[in-house]
Amino acid sequence: EAGVTQFPSHSVIEKGQTVTLRCDPISGHDNLYWYRRVMGKEIKFLLHFVKESKQDESGMPNNRFLAERTGGTYSTLKVQPAELEDSGVYFCASSQGYSRGYGYTFGSGTRLTVV
Amino acid sequence: EDQVTQSPEALRLQEGESSSLNCSYTVSGLRGLFWYRQDPGKGPEFLFTLYSAGEEKEKERLKATLTKKESFLHITAPKPEDSATYLCAVRLLFGNEKLTFGTGTRLTIIP
Repeated sequence: EAGVTQFPSHSVIEKGQTVTLRCDPISGHDNLYWYRRVMGKEIKFLLHFVKESKQDESGMPNNRFLAERTGGTYSTLKVQPAELEDSGVYFCASSQGYSRGYGYTFGSGTRLTVV
Repeated sequence: EDQVTQSPEALRLQEGESSSLNCSYTVSGLRGLFWYRQDPGKGPEFLFTLYSAGEEKEKERLKATLTKKESFLHITAPKPEDSATYLCAVRLLFGNEKLTFGTGTRLTIIP
């Protein structure tokens, strides 16, 4: 079974530019999550999709961040325009369900550096 | 406010020297406590889920335990390949499905 795939693995952009991160969840996983870790801090939740619908976007920092999930498959997270404080590692995770026994599988992350 | 605190921040052990990592939590209701291992440049890798106080789970040299206030990850006779950052996260009883993470413990096993 293929795991959660994220790309690019690294991205360096200038302040004010736009960047789009992509996540391909495990096939058949309806739940897809985005998380972010900034330097020295804990991993923090950004948002949760169930299929193509946003279930919870309470962690999205501001309206410069836009997440989509086309047809309930892969997801993109766009940052426009990027600011210095957006630098960090963005993780995607997917899950089959909520009940006991269902865990979260994480991707390797995208390291975003805004200069 | 729901909070997860891990200690110590970093731990250096000699190979074979057993120890424990701590994860204390203050949450409105717990639906699961997760332990993950993270290697440099990789995403968190699932280790255990604990659901109720008194529960224990084991995998190779690792054993996780849970009380009403904290969880321990015991490492017995560690090897250098156990070096990693160990993350604790909780899923709440009420509300959404997100995980709330601690900052992790960076474990280094010296040969």
